[in-house]
Amino acid sequence: AQKVTQAQTEISVVEKEDVTLDCVYETRDTTYYLFWYKQPPSGELVFLIRRNSFDEQNEISGRYSWNFQKSTSSFNFTITASQVVDSAVYFCALSEANDYKLSFGAGTTVTVRA
Amino acid sequence: DGGITQSPKYLFRKEGQNVTLSCEQNLNHDAMYWYRQDPGQGLRLIYYSQIVNDFQKGDIAEGYSVSREKKESFPLTVTSAQKNPTAFYLCASSMGLAGKGPETQYFGPGTRLLVL
Repeated sequence: AQKVTQAQTEISVVEKEDVTLDCVYETRDTTYYLFWYKQPPSGELVFLIRRNSFDEQNEISGRYSWNFQKSTSSFNFTITASQVVDSAVYFCALSEANDYKLSFGAGTTVTVRA
Repeated sequence: DGGITQSPKYLFRKEGQNVTLSCEQNLNHDAMYWYRQDPGQGLRLIYYSQIVNDFQKGDIAEGYSVSREKKESFPLTVTSAQKNPTAFYLCASSMGLAGKGPETQYFGPGTRLLVL
């Protein structure tokens, strides 16, 4: 069975600090997909990134970056120079090939203080 | 605008009552999903539908029912058999598998269900 672990429950930082969110996953499949979503206080989940297991290149999108390491089954997410608007719950999720189901981690609440 | 709409935003249920949560999408997506979110927890899959007139149980389907009569709509009924229905319910849709692996799921704004 697939499983996603986000060990950090809450992270609090001061504006402009960098923050890294950890995500560790378990799966028996060699082909799988990893996702990150942001849930602001409004509640709607906002898609951030989708990565397949064959693409281990790190990705940067503005202040967001992702570090995918198959050797440690991790897909970590870094927010550089955090802003108050980054305050949200962030979820990591896993889906195996040929499976519609997304398995979510418990989420990490990020609070950015001005 | 293309997107997913859920209504109502808040819903109150009395003991023994069935209530229905609405989910509509105009993204032309084949697949639709219902998730439940409890405080401090991740999302858990209730039901999903890959195509019209077909749906499958997720991990926590007991006490819930769905229908998929139209591609755009996937309503969820919380029945009286669901003893602890208070939660935040999120609907999502995706293009489906399409031979390229699971597509990204996009979410609606959610419905918060409270028991009176």
